[in-house]
Amino acid sequence: IAGITQAPTSQILAAGRRMTLRCTQDMRHNAMYWYRQDLGLGLRLIHYSNTAGTTGKGEVPDGYSVSRANTDDFPLTLASAVPSQTSVYFCASSETGTGGGEAFFGQGTRLTVV
Amino acid sequence: GQNIDQPTEMTATEGAIVQINCTYQTSGFNGLFWYQQHAGEAPTFLSYNVLDGLEEKGRFSSFLSRSKGYSYLLLKELQMKDSASYLCAVKDSNYQLIWGAGTKLIIKP
Repeated sequence: IAGITQAPTSQILAAGRRMTLRCTQDMRHNAMYWYRQDLGLGLRLIHYSNTAGTTGKGEVPDGYSVSRANTDDFPLTLASAVPSQTSVYFCASSETGTGGGEAFFGQGTRLTVV
Repeated sequence: GQNIDQPTEMTATEGAIVQINCTYQTSGFNGLFWYQQHAGEAPTFLSYNVLDGLEEKGRFSSFLSRSKGYSYLLLKELQMKDSASYLCAVKDSNYQLIWGAGTKLIIKP
């Protein structure tokens, strides 16, 4: 059972470079999310998608973009990385964007921007 | 603004009981979740409360009072493997999850 897979697991990136974090789920979940997790702070929502073909902005969307061309994939792109984007990034999915279904998380991508 | 508060760190003894509290102020309420996160790993789902009262699941129980904006996670018969961070999250009126910073639970033998 794969569930939700992220790639890469870690990356060191030069500031100014473009980077895409990949996320794939095989649970046929409608909703997908990208979070960042920083020490001392809760998970913060970057972007979300309630269904294929739609996306929305979360709490901290600046500097990031997403696309949802199909149900399974939800890549996150940093157009021009900055050191403040150093963080652990988690992709998650849930059966729907509403209701009480829990979110399932990928293993995370640890990104360091230097 | 929206806010989830939980203690930063707690220490407990193996075999004992610990209660982790969470208070919230959000725009709307569509359920409260507890997740467990071991260091360096992804969060995993523990419990969900949408109505007032206690939900029991094995050694873990979760309680909710919507009128008080309060929840707690109760862990019984603590084991060393329970050493982890415990995250409280609330779904707001837009069905977005608002997360607390997490409570790091340290279990001592």
